[in-house]
Amino acid sequence: GAGVSQTPSNKVTEKGKYVELRCDPISGHTALYWYRQSLGQGPEFLIYFQGTGAADDSGLPNDRFFAVRPEGSVSTLKIQRTERGDSAVYLCASSLLDSPPQAGELFFGEGSRLTVL
Amino acid sequence: AQSVTQPDIHITVSEGASLELRCNYSYGATPYLFWYVQSPGQGLQLLLKYFSGDTLVQGIKGFEAEFKRSQSSFNLRKPSVHWSDAAEYFCAVKNQGGKLIFGQGTELSVKP
Repeated sequence: GAGVSQTPSNKVTEKGKYVELRCDPISGHTALYWYRQSLGQGPEFLIYFQGTGAADDSGLPNDRFFAVRPEGSVSTLKIQRTERGDSAVYLCASSLLDSPPQAGELFFGEGSRLTVL
Repeated sequence: AQSVTQPDIHITVSEGASLELRCNYSYGATPYLFWYVQSPGQGLQLLLKYFSGDTLVQGIKGFEAEFKRSQSSFNLRKPSVHWSDAAEYFCAVKNQGGKLIFGQGTELSVKP
């Protein structure tokens, strides 16, 4: 497809389990972002990749959260030992390197809704 | 660190009335500013952006926003609201390193 694709769209898991959320960015987009959105809140920044490397991971809440983008395209957000407070919609976005680079528009996927019971 | 404040959590306007959604940002350097809209069950969509030049920027769906450096504001406006504009609106600022930070959002309701 032409847009950002996120799978699964819904994930229900039990407290303490491990979860992976996948993001397929728009082809050719070098920048990839992960956000977390709780009900009634704005998207909360988690991590941002330029190519394969994390340019800024300052938003990851703790060491249970980890993200990779090994080939500079698809990214996986990994959450270990899930807690009920991790329940949220996880959004992925991708962007071209624009001119200037920081002006590039982010294109968002529809998100993965994670529920931790 | 950059931050964004949207003072109004919820606004209700009548269809056909004008609209202004407030946004204040905090960032030490030249900001890159964005407004996004999120409709129920849909992804975030860019309305408009500012990073240089004319401080009044035009966006999609008849929206515009004005950058005022002296007030650290980037308010979103529309002269005549349509029922289909009911949604959540987010202001965001991007820093020089590319990190985009969102405000908490303003929910817009439109009365017939």
